[in-house]
Amino acid sequence: KAGVTQTPRYLIKTRGQQVTLSCSPISGHRSVSWYQQTPGQGLQFLFEYFSETQRNKGNFPGRFSGRQFSNSRSEMNVSTLELGDSALYLCASSLGEGEKLFFGSGTQLSVL
Amino acid sequence: GNSVTQMEGPVTLSEEAFLTINCTYTATGYPSLFWYVQYPGEGLQLLLKATKADDKGSNKGFEATYRKETTSFHLEKGSVQVSDSAVYFCALSDSGGGADGLTFGKGTHLIIQP
Repeated sequence: KAGVTQTPRYLIKTRGQQVTLSCSPISGHRSVSWYQQTPGQGLQFLFEYFSETQRNKGNFPGRFSGRQFSNSRSEMNVSTLELGDSALYLCASSLGEGEKLFFGSGTQLSVL
Repeated sequence: GNSVTQMEGPVTLSEEAFLTINCTYTATGYPSLFWYVQYPGEGLQLLLKATKADDKGSNKGFEATYRKETTSFHLEKGSVQVSDSAVYFCALSDSGGGADGLTFGKGTHLIIQP
């Protein structure tokens, strides 16, 4: 069974641009969560989607948004990029509430 | 709000040494507690978890016991190997699996020397 797949693996953008990251969950998983990992702040929860609905949300500004499609694939979008958005963005999928999370290898975003 | 505190390291040990990585937490209610491991260039993998007080999670020789009285979930291993070198994260969640959002500690970088 394929694991959680995140694309692209690396991304370089400039300030003010927007970016879209993609996550394909493990087959059959309906929950997808997103995390930001930085050296300073560590791992922080962005949001979680289940069956195309955002169910939980962390404490990030509205520039960070996401969506989930009917096949459970998810995208997150960051608009008006700032230097501080440089981070590893991790996606995790699970069958649902109370089930184990499986993480992807992440997308490394660099904002110049 | 919820928070997790753990030693950041790096922690350097010799092979076959005993390992303890401390983790304490602050939470309302009765959270589930987790240890995740991140190898270089990879995402996080669940190492073990405990969902209620006095539960012991164990996997691959690692153990941690949910101590409600001391709000702790320390990770231990009796004899570490070079292959255990990685970053270890303590985390908590209000749900059993963490889909509602995990709160992570800053991570402990473990280096095992042969």
